[in-house]
Amino acid sequence: GAGVSQTPSNKVTEKGKYVELRCDPISGHTALYWYRQSLGQGPEFLIYFQGTGAADDSGLPNDRFFAVRPEGSVSTLKIQRTERGDSAVYLCASSSGLAGTDTQYFGPGTRLTVL
Amino acid sequence: AQSVTQLDSQVPVFEEAPVELRCNYSSSVSVYLFWYVQYPNQGLQLLLKYLSGSTLVESINGFEAEFNKSQTSFHLRKPSVHISDTAEYFCAVSEGNFGNEKLTFGTGTRLTIIP
Repeated sequence: GAGVSQTPSNKVTEKGKYVELRCDPISGHTALYWYRQSLGQGPEFLIYFQGTGAADDSGLPNDRFFAVRPEGSVSTLKIQRTERGDSAVYLCASSSGLAGTDTQYFGPGTRLTVL
Repeated sequence: AQSVTQLDSQVPVFEEAPVELRCNYSSSVSVYLFWYVQYPNQGLQLLLKYLSGSTLVESINGFEAEFNKSQTSFHLRKPSVHISDTAEYFCAVSEGNFGNEKLTFGTGTRLTIIP
């Protein structure tokens, strides 16, 4: 079946611009996570959705970052006034949300480059 | 807060030789432990996980990991590696709170198999 998909696969933008990154989770998965992976690092947690609501946004680095999931399926990560330090691979993962032992399935990521 | 340490950033190993990738974690509560693998040009995939019960867990492709609570370790081993095992391996931990299984990752170990 279809896995987690993310679009675009690559995004190049200029400092100060606004970007949106999209995640399509596995159908029926209620839990959705965003992570950020900088060069040479492991993924770092940004935000977690259960259904439509952000249950934990403690990983968002500052108020330039925002994410939504209005219908409990597709999610969009929004970054305002991008900075060069925002350059990274942004990963999305989903799980069924039915148990604490669920496996998270990751998408291929969006590589964001801020010039 | 929880953290994960992967002591080796790169591990070169001859084909058919054994390998151990080290992982140590710290947490104030009980945890679930994971190994994820990222093959070249692919997304993160779950390799194996420890949730409870037997401290030795195995993957379908011959890897195994043992949870050692006293040493707070979850090292990954394989008795004989193949070229196809070339990848980056990430150890991760979650606190297993149902409703938010956000993962904390180590910085990764790049396994290179030498023919």
